[in-house]
Amino acid sequence: DSGVTQTPKHLITATGQRVTLRCSPRSGDLSVYWYQQSLDQGLQFLIHYYNGEERAKGNILERFSAQQFPDLHSELNLSSLELGDSALYFCASSPSPSYEQYFGPGTRLTVT
Amino acid sequence: GEDVEQSLFLSVREGDSSVINCTYTDSSSTYLYWYKQEPGAGLQLLTYIFSNMDMKQDQRLTVLLNKKDKHLSLRIADTQTGDSAIYFCAEYSGGGADGLTFGKGTHLIIQP
Repeated sequence: DSGVTQTPKHLITATGQRVTLRCSPRSGDLSVYWYQQSLDQGLQFLIHYYNGEERAKGNILERFSAQQFPDLHSELNLSSLELGDSALYFCASSPSPSYEQYFGPGTRLTVT
Repeated sequence: GEDVEQSLFLSVREGDSSVINCTYTDSSSTYLYWYKQEPGAGLQLLTYIFSNMDMKQDQRLTVLLNKKDKHLSLRIADTQTGDSAIYFCAEYSGGGADGLTFGKGTHLIIQP
């Protein structure tokens, strides 16, 4: 158990809908990262928040957004969902940006 | 851009050593990681190495880094059935990206 929690574990929704994925980092970790894992693209970095502020963006679509709250939990919002958004979404946390990242168990999103 | 390459499959006999290889292109990589993913599970951080090190040993795991050739390997001694999983190599170079760049993963198959 890495200490990173993610909810929900599974999510099934229809095209065009909007969903919110939640992540709680390890106690004391200030950095939260979001990643997408799909069969065709592999593991891709989406976005990084540090102590409530957006720090870096990776391959994140404009339809996706994230935020980190004062209690350091983070939410990833996915809107106007398409079939191709079906994937595993992981969050990871670390004490600071240059440290090792610990991953949560993931949220499996299925868009039908 | 950065690229991390791994072979897709490795088959070894139980009790033998497994060596999983990885090459990367970003010469500014500062940290290199090995993660393990079992079916239906998240990514477990196995070990990592700083770019100024050549080798790191942790119980049954040995990481070798050849910075000149940009080659990283993970050796698992006395491979057991519980080692069956997908092993991901990842690199972190910091700067503006902050996220990890992952390889596609190597499926380690254990033969009895």
